[in-house]
Amino acid sequence: QVQLQESGPGLVKPSETLSLTCTVSGISISVHYWSWIRQPPGKGLEWIGSVHYTGSTSYDPSLKSRLTISLDMSKSQFSLNLRSMTAADTAVYYCAERGGGLWGQGILVTVSS
Amino acid sequence: DAVLTQSPLSLPVTLGQPASISCTSSQTLLYTDGNTYLNWFQQRPGQSPRRLINRVSNRDSGVPDRFSGSASGTVFTLKISRVEAEDVGVYYCMQDTHSPRTFGQGTKVEIK
Repeated sequence: QVQLQESGPGLVKPSETLSLTCTVSGISISVHYWSWIRQPPGKGLEWIGSVHYTGSTSYDPSLKSRLTISLDMSKSQFSLNLRSMTAADTAVYYCAERGGGLWGQGILVTVSS
Repeated sequence: DAVLTQSPLSLPVTLGQPASISCTSSQTLLYTDGNTYLNWFQQRPGQSPRRLINRVSNRDSGVPDRFSGSASGTVFTLKISRVEAEDVGVYYCMQDTHSPRTFGQGTKVEIK
């Protein structure tokens, strides 16, 4: 069946860069647009950005200056790099199909020294 | 940005009774292809969100038919015809028409 699996560190120090990867299995990564979405503890869902296999990307304006989302078709993966992390970036990070039909299980990322 | 405003933010319901959540968009969500990309999600405690409804009124696979979606202009509604205990959680609307994509604040459904 179709699965999305996030991987990356659970703890990041302030000012460092968060790098997360989402591995897509059971479906061609070229079929959909793919998104990163986050959820701070006890709060709602926040869209971070999206990527397509053509290289097209779209980012939330509030994160755009710190954010890069990329896709590797050969590995069936897409990735997030978020620079200059602060405590406000502490959240569960989800990868998902852009329309929300498919989600990973989420990974909690804590920003702390 | 297309701002989505949900109401109510908290919804205590009695088992077996209907429930309704509204989501009002600050702008049209009609895309150039003729579709309106407004989706509804359920998030149970400790779980990833699950899409219930896509493009206003289309139930996703495996979603019980007690869930339905509708629209009147820029006001979108999710209805549960008879609430069951497994429906407890937070419900979100999300628009996939405009960039940036945006979510509503969420509506917490609990049993009275």
